[in-house]
Amino acid sequence: DTEVTQTPKHLVMGMTNKKSLKCEQHMGHRAMYWYKQKAKKPPELMFVYSYEKLSINESVPSRFSPECPNSSLLNLHLHALQPEDSALYLCASSQDLPQSYGYTFGSGTRLTVV
Amino acid sequence: KQEVTQIPAALSVPEGENLVLNCSFTDSAIYNLQWFRQDPGKGLTSLLLIQSSQREQTSGRLNASLDKSSGRSTLYIAASQPGDSATYLCAVRQYTNAGKSTFGDGTTLTVKP
Repeated sequence: DTEVTQTPKHLVMGMTNKKSLKCEQHMGHRAMYWYKQKAKKPPELMFVYSYEKLSINESVPSRFSPECPNSSLLNLHLHALQPEDSALYLCASSQDLPQSYGYTFGSGTRLTVV
Repeated sequence: KQEVTQIPAALSVPEGENLVLNCSFTDSAIYNLQWFRQDPGKGLTSLLLIQSSQREQTSGRLNASLDKSSGRSTLYIAASQPGDSATYLCAVRQYTNAGKSTFGDGTTLTVKP
């Protein structure tokens, strides 16, 4: 299995809703990432987990809450989002944090906040 | 601060043409450079990963080169096909900034039948 699987593919949520994005990989990768991508822009890093511990938080608002329950799974919990949070949310993994490894990305979750 | 520039921003070519996409970066202290393709509304698909000690990588019709000293990488696509139409992004992973990657803004390629 050489894939990163993200669910759901599409999500529409109101500003008062709570929802979660899920990311799963079975490649034995020990680093996992959340990125946010707006239209016609490159991905922006949000969070990095290494060995199930949060190692980087790019000053992301607390309405985004990451969780790494085990080495294969990464969640992003969403609460009280704003319309400007609408974007493509991408999960990625790499073999480890030693930075010589490349990324494998999932297909993304298209989030619309109404 | 690392800056990554991709030129051109958009490119339209007829099918069968060979083409070159460019990626330049300002800080040569890098671990690696990775080329991705992205179809509209989809995730990033890794094409080639070049470590800082390497000069080039090849996969099928794709060849990527890296010249760290001049801060440049090129992605060569041979015999382009309409299915190659996508946005191509390069990402540079640097020693500084906790090893995070900096992405270019991408080149949007259209290959016309």
